[in-house]
Amino acid sequence: DAGITQSPRYKITETGRQVTLMCHQTWSHSYMFWYRQDLGHGLRLIYYSAAADITDKGEVPDGYVVSRSKTENFPLTLESATRSQTSVYFCASSDRARVETDTQYFGPGTRLTVL
Amino acid sequence: GQNIDQPTEMTATEGAIVQINCTYQTSGFNGLFWYQQHAGEAPTFLSYNVLDGLEEKGRFSSFLSRSKGYSYLLLKELQMKDSASYLCAVLDSNYQLIWGAGTKLIIKP
Repeated sequence: DAGITQSPRYKITETGRQVTLMCHQTWSHSYMFWYRQDLGHGLRLIYYSAAADITDKGEVPDGYVVSRSKTENFPLTLESATRSQTSVYFCASSDRARVETDTQYFGPGTRLTVL
Repeated sequence: GQNIDQPTEMTATEGAIVQINCTYQTSGFNGLFWYQQHAGEAPTFLSYNVLDGLEEKGRFSSFLSRSKGYSYLLLKELQMKDSASYLCAVLDSNYQLIWGAGTKLIIKP
């Protein structure tokens, strides 16, 4: 089915472990984003990518790594998970055909718990 | 710094009208978005404003005043399914979306 998917939907891990969250979109959108959402905060941008092999930091990039070798995939890796990274992670994409009317389309989210 | 303020929670009655306000202070302005997010789900796009005035889309309308740094989302004929969080977001001078914390809307029968 067309759209944007994330996996896993739920993940429990331990402090210090490496975790990778996957994001896949079938629209061929050029832009992809990773956000985290915590109670009392708005969505906070972790990293974004304008195209394959082009990534840039957002508001809260520390402790995270991204890559984008293919347009459709944008994995997010927590190199050494910490409890403060317990959150809901959303991936989003947009085509930015007209950046002034940029609408982002969100995946279903991954709920990550770090023990 | 950049800041977007929305009320944390609002309560309204089924069939009534509710207005959710959003004020912003950002480095530049290239448009304001409203998204709806049901509990446990992803945000979905509702509306976009870049010029002053009211944009109407069915039961939902969104208003913008750039000089006042102010927007509101107006929901008419409220239905139980409108119970959700409503997120205000501003596209800044770097074309990055800055998000408010969201307003949780509770609809009572």
